[in-house]
Amino acid sequence: NAGVTQTPKFQVLKTGQSMTLQCAQDMNHEYMSWYRQDPGMGLRLIHYSVGAGITDQGEVPNGYNVSRSTTEDFPLRLLSAAPSQTSVYFCASGTGASEKLFFGSGTQLSVL
Amino acid sequence: QQQVKQSPQSLIVQKGGISIINCAYENTAFDYFPWYQQFPGKGPALLIAIRPDVSEKKEGRFTISFNKSAKQFSLHIMDSQPGDSATYFCAASVGGYQKVTFGIGTKLQVIP
Repeated sequence: NAGVTQTPKFQVLKTGQSMTLQCAQDMNHEYMSWYRQDPGMGLRLIHYSVGAGITDQGEVPNGYNVSRSTTEDFPLRLLSAAPSQTSVYFCASGTGASEKLFFGSGTQLSVL
Repeated sequence: QQQVKQSPQSLIVQKGGISIINCAYENTAFDYFPWYQQFPGKGPALLIAIRPDVSEKKEGRFTISFNKSAKQFSLHIMDSQPGDSATYFCAASVGGYQKVTFGIGTKLQVIP
């Protein structure tokens, strides 16, 4: 059982480049979310989705786009990367049956 | 502006000692208070959680104490072991696993 899978694990971008962080879950969870983790700031919610076709903004959404075309996938897009987006990104999914978030192993992103 | 304030940021405890991490919140609508544990290179994983209708919850060596009137809650790790060395996040949400707000994290080191 794979759980929540994130790719890539590491990525280096130049300022202004675009890229998509992939997230897939095989647990049929209706809820998926993206967090960024920065030293001294904990985990901050970027975007979340309560089901296919439904997305909403979290605490720090600027510079990021998301879509949810299927239950399984929730990609995070950086349209024009900035050094301030250097961070570790975590995708998490959840369901009411367990009332907990299942996290992926993260993507470490550096923007030069 | 942190909705969930966590302290200390780092903690060193001797093996067999008690580790205590404190959190405070402002939003009285929060009704679910989980603690997540994160090992280096991994995503956070739920450790234990509490709802405000109880003042304490214990699971093995881990105990959450909750003070609703003071809007504070804490994690106690009894008989701390080197394997407990990790980063611990307190968190809060309205209703459960969705839109979880995290504290800044506490890096715990248990020394032999």
